[in-house]
Amino acid sequence: NAGVMQNPRHLVRRRGQEARLRCSPMKGHSHVYWYRQLPEEGLKFMVYLQKENIIDESGMPKERFSAEFPKEGPSILRIQQVVRGDSAAYFCASSPPSPKRDYNEQFFGPGTRLTVL
Amino acid sequence: TQLLEQSPQFLSIQEGENLTVYCNSSSVFSSLQWYRQEPGEGPVLLVTVVTGGEVKKLKRLTFQFGDARKDSSLHITAAQPGDTGLYLCAGADETSGSRLTFGEGTQLTVNP
Repeated sequence: NAGVMQNPRHLVRRRGQEARLRCSPMKGHSHVYWYRQLPEEGLKFMVYLQKENIIDESGMPKERFSAEFPKEGPSILRIQQVVRGDSAAYFCASSPPSPKRDYNEQFFGPGTRLTVL
Repeated sequence: TQLLEQSPQFLSIQEGENLTVYCNSSSVFSSLQWYRQEPGEGPVLLVTVVTGGEVKKLKRLTFQFGDARKDSSLHITAAQPGDTGLYLCAGADETSGSRLTFGEGTQLTVNP
């Protein structure tokens, strides 16, 4: 069973460049979540997507950040004009479609470590 | 804003000792998950508890969900060096069911 896949595992960008982080959910999973883990801090929710729909983006910064989960292909987290404060580990998680909204098991990928120089 | 407080933040013990990690909140969660994270890797799901008062065992690990679904504990019996890692609790938001709120984690070190 292939787990959640993320690439690249490490990404270095200079200030002002764009960062694109990819996430392929587990087979059979249609829900994708992005979390950010800043140095010395816990994981913070960013956005929740289903195929072609953003369901909850309450944790996304208002500017420069966007996410998509197209009908075909991986989910993409895009950060435009990166700044040093964007340096963090970005984790993607996926969960299967479930009729019970109160039982939400999320399985995490290995993360992308973004370093902004 | 929902908060999950984990304690202790750091724990260093000798092999063979028992330990308990706590996860507390003033909010009610529809479910609570425990993860373990190794350096440079993503969190790995250990268990999900759903029902108030529920107890689940995973080998030497015992997980409990509080009756009011506001708190949880993880107890490890006869800790081994292989148990070393960052233990995270995460609660599923009762209103949306999608967003996980994470605690800050407990860094456990088991010395041989």
